[in-house]
Amino acid sequence: AQTVTQSQPEMSVQEAETVTLSCTYDTSENNYYLFWYKQPPSRQMILVIRQEAYKQQNATENRFSVNFQKAAKSFSLKISDSQLGDTAMYFCAFMKHGAQGAQKLVFGQGTRLTINP
Amino acid sequence: DAGITQSPRYKITETGRQVTLMCHQTWSHSYMFWYRQDLGHGLRLIYYSAAADITDKGEVPDGYVVSRSKTENFPLTLESATRSQTSVYFCASSDSVRNEQFFGPGTRLTVL
Repeated sequence: AQTVTQSQPEMSVQEAETVTLSCTYDTSENNYYLFWYKQPPSRQMILVIRQEAYKQQNATENRFSVNFQKAAKSFSLKISDSQLGDTAMYFCAFMKHGAQGAQKLVFGQGTRLTINP
Repeated sequence: DAGITQSPRYKITETGRQVTLMCHQTWSHSYMFWYRQDLGHGLRLIYYSAAADITDKGEVPDGYVVSRSKTENFPLTLESATRSQTSVYFCASSDSVRNEQFFGPGTRLTVL
C-alpha cells in the first residue's frame, strides 16, 4: 500500500519570503501522479499543482513549483513570494496510474502554513 | 456552474441514528469519492465509485454504506452513527482523463 508522509506539521514565514514544504511517499508503482492541495480556513480543498511521475520536468504554476525526485520518492512544494492568502493547510497526495480504482488519492497528514505580515 | 455540492453543510445527530450525507455533481464525472478528514490523519478514503452502480471500499469503510443509482449523485449513509464518526466529510469527483479530483465544500458531522 502507498503511504505519504509530511514531516512538517506546522510552518511559519514572513510575507514575500520563499517557503518549501516537504513530502515523501512510498510506493512500488512506476507510473503515478502526485498532487499538492491547499485547504484554507474556508475548508475548501483546492488543487495547487500536479506532477506526472513519467515527466522529469518539475511542474510549475505561477508562484508554486515542485521539486520531484523520483528515485528518492520526494515531492516538495516551493512557494515563492509568499502572500497572506497562502495561509492554509497543505496536503500532499499520491494517485496510482492505470488499473481500475487507480483514481484513489492517498493523502499525507498535512502541513499548516502561516504567512505573517 | 454548480460543480459539486454537498448537503447538509452541518449536521448534529445522536449515537445510533441513521444519517445520510448527500453529494451531487454537474460535470458528469464518472468517478466519485467520499473522504473523511480527522486531525492528524489528513483525508482518508471511505468509499468510491467508478460509475453508476459500481462502488468499492476505501481505507475506512466500516459503518458506512453508499449507493450510486445515478451518475450525478453519490450519497453516504451512516447506518448507526457512533461518536468516532464525528468528522468532516468530503465528496469529490473526477474524470478519467485529467485524473484530477474536485472536492465539494464538506459536511461537518457531529455525533453526540
